Amino acid sequence: KQEVTQIPAALSVPEGENLVLNCSFTDSAIYNLQWFRQDPGKGLTSLLLIQSSQREQTSGRLNASLDKSSGRSTLYIAASQPGDSATYLCAVGAGGFKTIFGAGTRLFVKA
Amino acid sequence: ETGVTQSPTHLIKTRGQQVTLRCSSQSGHNTVSWYQQALGQGPQFIFQYYREEENGRGNFPPRFSGLQFPNYSSELNVNALELDDSALYLCASSPGVFEKLFFGSGTQLSVL
Repeated sequence: KQEVTQIPAALSVPEGENLVLNCSFTDSAIYNLQWFRQDPGKGLTSLLLIQSSQREQTSGRLNASLDKSSGRSTLYIAASQPGDSATYLCAVGAGGFKTIFGAGTRLFVKA
Repeated sequence: ETGVTQSPTHLIKTRGQQVTLRCSSQSGHNTVSWYQQALGQGPQFIFQYYREEENGRGNFPPRFSGLQFPNYSSELNVNALELDDSALYLCASSPGVFEKLFFGSGTQLSVL
């Protein structure tokens, strides 16, 4: 059974700091991995999608890496801003056409 | 804006009742999936439809059912509502299976 874990559960950093969010999954047989952002009471916004054959994706200040063999992904946020404050979720596309989410990391960037 | 709309935004029901939630996908997206998100947790996969056929299902009982229509709309039906069904229900559409997901803003369901 595929399980997705995100560490840390919550993170508070000063503005301008570079930070790394971690995601691990138990079964390396995945089709892809996506990182999302969720603001309170809202839906999810896709940030980056990494297909299983890829190692990383970049968009602006965001960089996501994928290591299938070790069951890990990281989301790197450069020069954090107060507007980056949100919950960040990772999800894997798994067997049976399922998408399995982690519980998320709540990020607070202090001005 | 993702182009995915859900209705209603909020809903209050009584235990034992039935509810239908609706989702309008982006034009051209032939895949839609539904999720249940309890407060403080990640979304839980309910099921996925591809070209009007269910092709994936999570650990939810049969009283959770769905439909996908040719006009890119879909429904989530829940029968015999229980208190634990109170949650944010999200739908997501994508151009195909295992492609980028575009989420709606969700329907907040409260069961009293």
